[in-house]
Amino acid sequence: GQQLNQSPQSMFIQEGEDVSMNCTSSSIFNTWLWYKQDPGEGPVLLIALYKAGELTSNGRLTAQFGITRKDSFLNISASIPSDVGIYFCAGQPRTGANNLFFGTGTRLTVIP
Amino acid sequence: EAQVTQNPRYLITVTGKKLTVTCSQNMNHEYMSWYRQDPGLGLRQIYYSMNVEVTDKGDVPEGYKVSRKEKRNFPLILESPSPNQTSLYFCASSFGGAAYEQYFGPGTRLTVT
Repeated sequence: GQQLNQSPQSMFIQEGEDVSMNCTSSSIFNTWLWYKQDPGEGPVLLIALYKAGELTSNGRLTAQFGITRKDSFLNISASIPSDVGIYFCAGQPRTGANNLFFGTGTRLTVIP
Repeated sequence: EAQVTQNPRYLITVTGKKLTVTCSQNMNHEYMSWYRQDPGLGLRQIYYSMNVEVTDKGDVPEGYKVSRKEKRNFPLILESPSPNQTSLYFCASSFGGAAYEQYFGPGTRLTVT
C-alpha cells in the first residue's frame, strides 16, 4: 500500500509554544486530511485540503497542501493542554478514489 | 445524537473461532469503512463501501470479510481469526466518500490468542 511518513513521531512541548508536523509520500495525492485522536477515542477531522498549494486554517490550526502534491504540513499555534493527542495525516490517492491512506501519526504532549 | 456505534467494544477470542464486529450509523451516510490501528503503523483501511451491496478492498483486506445489506450497517467478519489480527478496529462513515469528513466509532479492541 501507499506509505505516508509523518514526522516527528512524538513531540514534547511547553504550553504556549507553536508546533509543526509534516507528512510526506512517494506518491501524489489529490486530497490531504488531518485528523486528531484523543486517548481512547476515534479520530476526528481537523482540516481537509483539496488543492495543491492550498492553505487552510481552523482556529489555531493551519494546514497546507504541498505544491508537489506529495506532502502536507500542520501547524498549531499557542498550544494548550487539550491539544494533547495523536495527529494523523491521511491522503486520498486520486479524485473519486474511495480508499484512504493514513500516516503513522505524531504523538503530541503539552506540558503545562 | 449523530453517531457511529460498534459492538463489542472489547473481545478476547481464540484462533479460528469466527467472529463478527458490528457497526451502525444513524446519519444516513452512504460511505462506510473499516480500519485497524496498530502501534507504529497508524490506521490502515481494511474494506470500504460506497453504498448498499457495493464494497471494495482497502489496503489490508486479507483475513476479513464485510457485507452491506442495509445502508446503516457494515459488519466486519473474521472467519478464522489469527493472532496477527489482534488490533484496535475502527468503523467510520461519511456522506460522500473517503475525501470527506469521516465520523469514527469508539473502537473495538480485539485480542486473538
